[in-house]
Formats: sequence, C-alpha cells, structure tokens
Amino acid sequence: GAGVSQTPSNKVTEKGKYVELRCDPISGHTALYWYRQSLGQGPEFLIYFQGTGAADDSGLPNDRFFAVRPEGSVSTLKIQRTERGDSAVYLCASSARGQGSNEQFFGPGTRLTVL
Amino acid sequence: ELKVEQNPLFLSMQEGKNYTIYCNYSTTSDRLYWYRQDPGKSLESLFVLLSNGAVKQEGRLMASLDTKARLSTLHITAAVHDLSATYFCAVYPYGGATNKLIFGTGTLLAVQP
Repeated sequence: GAGVSQTPSNKVTEKGKYVELRCDPISGHTALYWYRQSLGQGPEFLIYFQGTGAADDSGLPNDRFFAVRPEGSVSTLKIQRTERGDSAVYLCASSARGQGSNEQFFGPGTRLTVL
Repeated sequence: ELKVEQNPLFLSMQEGKNYTIYCNYSTTSDRLYWYRQDPGKSLESLFVLLSNGAVKQEGRLMASLDTKARLSTLHITAAVHDLSATYFCAVYPYGGATNKLIFGTGTLLAVQP
C-alpha cells in the first residue's frame, strides 16, 4: 500500500515569508508525527497528533510554528515569518498507535530552505 | 531528559569485515528502533526491539537490546558496499508511554571496496 507522502519535496522561500508543508499519512494510521532534521543530525520531535488533536506539541520551537490535522488524516505544518534557522528537512511519520510495536513510518520529507 | 548516544559517529570499514554500532540511552525504555537513512532520503525502518534480550536479524545486520544496560547493538557481518548509509537508533522514553521518538546522533557507515 501507499506510504507516507509529503509535499512539496523542496521549498525555497525568503526570510519572513509564510510556508505550509503537507503530510498525507498511511491510510488508517491514527497517529501522526512531525520531526525536523538538520544537516548531520538525527530527527527532532516537533508535534504529535492522535486523531484530530495535537496530543503533544512540546517540540515546537516557538509560536511561529503551528500544525493542524482537521479531519484526522492529512496534516499541515505552518511556519510564519520564516527565519534562516528554520532551514532543515521536515519529516512526517505515522503509526497505528495502540497496536503492537507502535512503529513509526516516515515520509520522504520536505527540504525547506530559507534564504 | 532522555539522551540517546551512538558510537561511533563515523565508521569506515572494508568489505567483508565485521563491526558493531552501539546505542546507549539514559533512561528507562523497553522498546528501541533502528532506522537506515541513505543520503537525501527518508528513514527506512530496519528493526523493532520490544523487550529485554530481543535479537533480530535481517541479512548481514543483527540488532539486540539489553534494557538493563540501556544498550542496543547493531552488528554488521561481512559488510558490503550496499550497506553504506547513516544508521539511527531511536527510543520511546518511559517504555512507550509517551509518543515522541528520541533519536541518536547517527552513525555514518562507509563500506569501502
């Protein structure tokens, strides 16, 4: 079946602009996660959704970052007033939470470059 | 705060050789995951280790978990060039009660012909 998909694959923007990154999880997965990966680092947790609600947003770096999942499937990560330090690969993952291993399956990522 | 450390950070090895990557974590957890990442690509799940003493093998890779020592190992047998990638271990804190994976620093493996 289809895996986690993310769009766009690459996004180049200017400092101060607003961006939206989209994630389409594996069908039937109730849990959705956003991570950020900087060059040479491991992914860092941003936010976790269980269904439509953000169950844990403790990883969001500041109030410029916001994410939604209005229908419990597709999620959008929104970044306002982008800064050069926001440049990274944003990864989305989904899991069938509550079942067995709770293994997270990752999408291909969106590479965000803020000029 | 849970910390996950991998050793070594970079490993250059010849084809046919054996080596082990170590993953240490600082607090209680009973489940650990290994992922592979190729350059410019996303994370591919390799192993899920769910209990103390768990051992899993796939091809030339074998992973084990010792929850008492808070240690997981990824052993590479008779390395081949296709294994060149970055390998991450990741842990759920507190035995999976929370939902965020904490990743290690990653081990960049380069297998030389």
